[in-house]
Amino acid sequence: DTAVSQTPKYLVTQMGNDKSIKCEQNLGHDTMYWYKQDSKKFLKIMFSYNNKELIINETVPNRFSPKSPDKAHLNLHINSLELGDSAVYFCASSQDISTNEKLFFGSGTQLSVL
Amino acid sequence: GEDVEQSLFLSVREGDSSVINCTYTDSSSTYLYWYKQEPGAGLQLLTYIFSNMDMKQDQRLTVLLNKKDKHLSLRIADTQTGDSAIYFCAEIGHSSASKIIFGSGTRLSIRP
Repeated sequence: DTAVSQTPKYLVTQMGNDKSIKCEQNLGHDTMYWYKQDSKKFLKIMFSYNNKELIINETVPNRFSPKSPDKAHLNLHINSLELGDSAVYFCASSQDISTNEKLFFGSGTQLSVL
Repeated sequence: GEDVEQSLFLSVREGDSSVINCTYTDSSSTYLYWYKQEPGAGLQLLTYIFSNMDMKQDQRLTVLLNKKDKHLSLRIADTQTGDSAIYFCAEIGHSSASKIIFGSGTRLSIRP
């Protein structure tokens, strides 16, 4: 069974559209994350939720809105997509907020904005 | 702010040892990590070290930490083709607000 699963794996869309990426973890973890990986493989945290509560919100445009309906799910909705949003988006989870957070990653969603 | 730096590329011959280096700036780092990313996949935790340790060995992997110089390295003994991947160094510290900071990744390629 996949521990952290995200859908879709590939997402190709036009500029200006609104899209969502879904993430689910079956590890019983309390904390979930969204990371963005650019074309140079640089990985940057976007959001973090702990027990459905937002705890990290980096300087991400308001067009990005995470939603956590329960602690096993963290979805990412993106409004008015722009060319610069093209990247691979990774969902991840960890047991909790602690000083030793071992992250478990999903396999990524490759978003291409045309 | 916190910063983690790595060289971008490393090429080694199959069977040799690979040494991937990383430097970080956050002196309050408590844990340091090495993650591996294979093509088309997410990152996978390889190993980690607590900041009060100098060395940790796990089969073919050896992690060395020089806290004074804020330098972390990952040595892979007897490098195999399956070790081809991008290796990310990461750290978490008291000043990170429960946020793990990743380096830019080192792409390891193996030549026959």
